[in-house]
Amino acid sequence: EVELVESGGGLVTPGGSLRLSCAASGFTFSNYKMHWVRQAPGKGLEWVSSISTTSIYIYYADKMRGRFTISRDNAKNSLYLQMNSLRVEDTAVYYCARDMGELDYWGQGTLVTVSS
Amino acid sequence: SSELTQGPGVSVALGQTVRITCQGDNLKNFFATWYQQKPGQAPILVIYNENNRPSGIPDRFSGSRSGNTASLTITGAQAEDEADYYCYSRDRSGNHLVFGGGTKLTVL
Repeated sequence: EVELVESGGGLVTPGGSLRLSCAASGFTFSNYKMHWVRQAPGKGLEWVSSISTTSIYIYYADKMRGRFTISRDNAKNSLYLQMNSLRVEDTAVYYCARDMGELDYWGQGTLVTVSS
Repeated sequence: SSELTQGPGVSVALGQTVRITCQGDNLKNFFATWYQQKPGQAPILVIYNENNRPSGIPDRFSGSRSGNTASLTITGAQAEDEADYYCYSRDRSGNHLVFGGGTKLTVL
């Protein structure tokens, strides 16, 4: 069974940093492109970033570029999102998702709250 | 423009048919994908590649496209279909994903 479990969320002050992790199981992680998608409280889904199977191709939404860094460790079946210079508007549930041409499996998300 | 536009909300009587639309220029080049999201839950894939259903999704869900508008149709809506529905596609480059703003479906 495919499972994606995010962790690392929490409360951080503006300007701070946080590293999210996504542990994958039930499939061959190294064969799939992966994404981070976020959802602010009461708002819609917003794509954050994607990473190809071997990390060669990495893309970011414009508002995250330069502050967020996506990475993966195929040996550990894990996806990461390093978030720096966090802003109040980055407050959201962050989901990792598997890309099979479409995002077919999503984790349950981890909540990041940026507040002073 | 890479934006996808969805109406904010729609209601349907139990057992009736409802269509949720998603409009955007990039839909002329890329398929729309549709998700269902219930409060406090992760999104669930309901339609991909315009009109394909993953296993486990009831056949009352279907998708279509006309020009720059993709549609999700629920034929015979059930109470459990009450949820937010999001479309997504890719931007002009094909490398970035773009989500619609979501449509809240109320089943009366």
